[in-house]
Amino acid sequence: DIQMTQSPSSLPASLGERVTISCRASQGISNNLNWYQQKPDGTIKPLIYYTSNLQSGVPSRFSGSGSGTDYSLTISSLEPEDFAMYYCQQDASFPPTFGGGTKLELK
Amino acid sequence: QVKLQQSGAELVKPGASVKLSCKTSGYTFSTSYMSWFKQIPGQSIEWIGMIYAGDGGTGYNQKFKGKATLTVDTSSSTAYMDLSSLTTEDSAVYFCARITTVPYWYFDFWGPGTMVTVSS
Repeated sequence: DIQMTQSPSSLPASLGERVTISCRASQGISNNLNWYQQKPDGTIKPLIYYTSNLQSGVPSRFSGSGSGTDYSLTISSLEPEDFAMYYCQQDASFPPTFGGGTKLELK
Repeated sequence: QVKLQQSGAELVKPGASVKLSCKTSGYTFSTSYMSWFKQIPGQSIEWIGMIYAGDGGTGYNQKFKGKATLTVDTSSSTAYMDLSSLTTEDSAVYFCARITTVPYWYFDFWGPGTMVTVSS
């Protein structure tokens, strides 16, 4: 299975700040990388698919980039509702696997 | 709008089985794919498997073969997951999520999750 490693595992940040979460795959995944947000109540929703495509309804302050084994999710200016868990997920190889998660916390 | 409604929390004894449901609405279930996931509180998400509602075809994570069995009832637009021979390691929240295939494969709508607690 492809291992997905996210960093940092915890990210304290302030409102309005720009933040970046990184995700590294144990082998190349050819941009087959998605990002999900999980709120404290457990609700999960997709943010970005295939590295850089914004899911419908997701604010444009979210963006994704990367290639090969290294990918990132950037939030340009944090809003109160952005403080949550974030997971990357690869879909290049069976089975799909998720990163360990990044907890975005209010500083 | 697309909705996935999952069954309520379960408290089950070790060795028992449990069947979780995921009732859908707002899209054509009979030609769609559904996946199931496991999340132990405080940990990441694991993919269990997927099922195509059109013909009931399934694919499983090797780790969950023999543990989980996925089925569908197209007449009620509901997906099911049976978990067997439960142990305390199966205590977790289980999510269902629709797989979208256009323009790309990913999990676009998720259910709220069902907490399963295995305890004597």
